[in-house]
Amino acid sequence: DIQMTQSPSSLSPSVGDRVTITCRASQTIHTYLNWYQQKPGTAPKLLICAASSLQSGVPSRFSGSGSGTDFTLTINNLQPEDFGTYYCQQSSTTPYTFGQGTRLEIK
Amino acid sequence: EVQLLESGGGLVQPGGSLRLSCAASGFTFSSHAMTWVRQAPGKGLEWVSLISASGGSTHYADSVKGRFTISRDNSKNTLYLQMNSLRAEDTAVYYCAKDGGDMSVAYFYYGMDVWGQGTKVTVSS
Repeated sequence: DIQMTQSPSSLSPSVGDRVTITCRASQTIHTYLNWYQQKPGTAPKLLICAASSLQSGVPSRFSGSGSGTDFTLTINNLQPEDFGTYYCQQSSTTPYTFGQGTRLEIK
Repeated sequence: EVQLLESGGGLVQPGGSLRLSCAASGFTFSSHAMTWVRQAPGKGLEWVSLISASGGSTHYADSVKGRFTISRDNSKNTLYLQMNSLRAEDTAVYYCAKDGGDMSVAYFYYGMDVWGQGTKVTVSS
């Protein structure tokens, strides 16, 4: 199985900050990498697909990059509504696997 | 509006069975692969199973293989997850989700773009 390792596991930035979350795959997944945001008690929401494609309706302050094994989710000009837990997920090979999550708490 | 609505969750004893349903609306259900993802209390997301648009191809996580069966009825726009031999570790919120791409691209290359609200399954005596 492909292991997905996210870092950091949590962070507490301030409004207006730039946030970077990294995700590393245990083997190459090309660009089969997706990012989700989940708020407590709700279903995950797709932010970025295919490593760098912004999902329709997602603010442009979110961006994704990377290919192969190393990927990054960047949030520019952090807003209060960006709190939650962020997950990366590989769809290169089943079983699909998620990172362990990065909990973002706005300071 | 594109929508997925799960149902069928509940409390079941270890060794019991449950069938989850996911009713789809607002898109051409028969053109998209579908998947189930679960989340144990206080834990992260775990992929469970996927089914192709036609229903002819299925995949499972090792943790549920041989116990769970994914299926779909494209005439009813409904996805199912039959769960047998349930264990305490199957306790979770179960979400269905839609493939963001269609049959022309690899499964879920464009992510899981629409999710249901989730249905809670509790396995306990």
